[in-house]
Amino acid sequence: EAGVAQSPRYKIIEKRQSVAFWCNPISGHATLYWYQQILGQGPKLLIQFQNNGVVDDSQLPKDRFSAERLKGVDSTLKIQPAKLEDSAVYLCASSSRDLLPGEQFFGPGTRLTVL
Amino acid sequence: GDSVTQMEGPVTLSEEACLTINCTYTATGYPSLFWYVQYPGEGLQLLLKATKADDKGSNKGFEATYRKETTSFHLEKGSVQVSDSAVYFCALSDRTGGFKTIFGAGTRLFVKA
Repeated sequence: EAGVAQSPRYKIIEKRQSVAFWCNPISGHATLYWYQQILGQGPKLLIQFQNNGVVDDSQLPKDRFSAERLKGVDSTLKIQPAKLEDSAVYLCASSSRDLLPGEQFFGPGTRLTVL
Repeated sequence: GDSVTQMEGPVTLSEEACLTINCTYTATGYPSLFWYVQYPGEGLQLLLKATKADDKGSNKGFEATYRKETTSFHLEKGSVQVSDSAVYFCALSDRTGGFKTIFGAGTRLFVKA
């Protein structure tokens, strides 16, 4: 079974530029999460989708971050414009109804450096 | 709100030493508890889980017991290997928190040969 795929793996941009990350969850997983993991910290949820609907985006900085999951499968997270404090690893995860709440499969992440 | 507190790292051990990584939690409900592991350059992987008091989760020689009376879920292994070097995250998911997963800050483990 293929895991959660993310691209790119690494991205370096200058502040005020825009960037987009892509995620393809495990086939059949209806729930998709985007997390921000700052160095030395645990992952922090940015947004959770159930199919193509948003379940929780309370911690998404909506003035600069946006995310979509148009067909209920893959998803894109965008930052526009980026700030220095956005430097982090962006993790995508997915889960299904068969799993415990809290039990998720993670992708390898995209490491973003904002200069 | 719900929270998870882990012991600070890094933890450095010699191969075959015993490991304990402390984790305590605060939750308004009755959460499920998890340990995730993150190897260098990879995403998090579920290591073990427990859903009710006195449950013991175990996997790959690691164990953790859900202690409701002390709100703890400490990770233990009797004999660590170099390949166990990673960052370990304690996490919870609680119905009263909308089943959002709350992660601790992580504890980095280095195992020397």
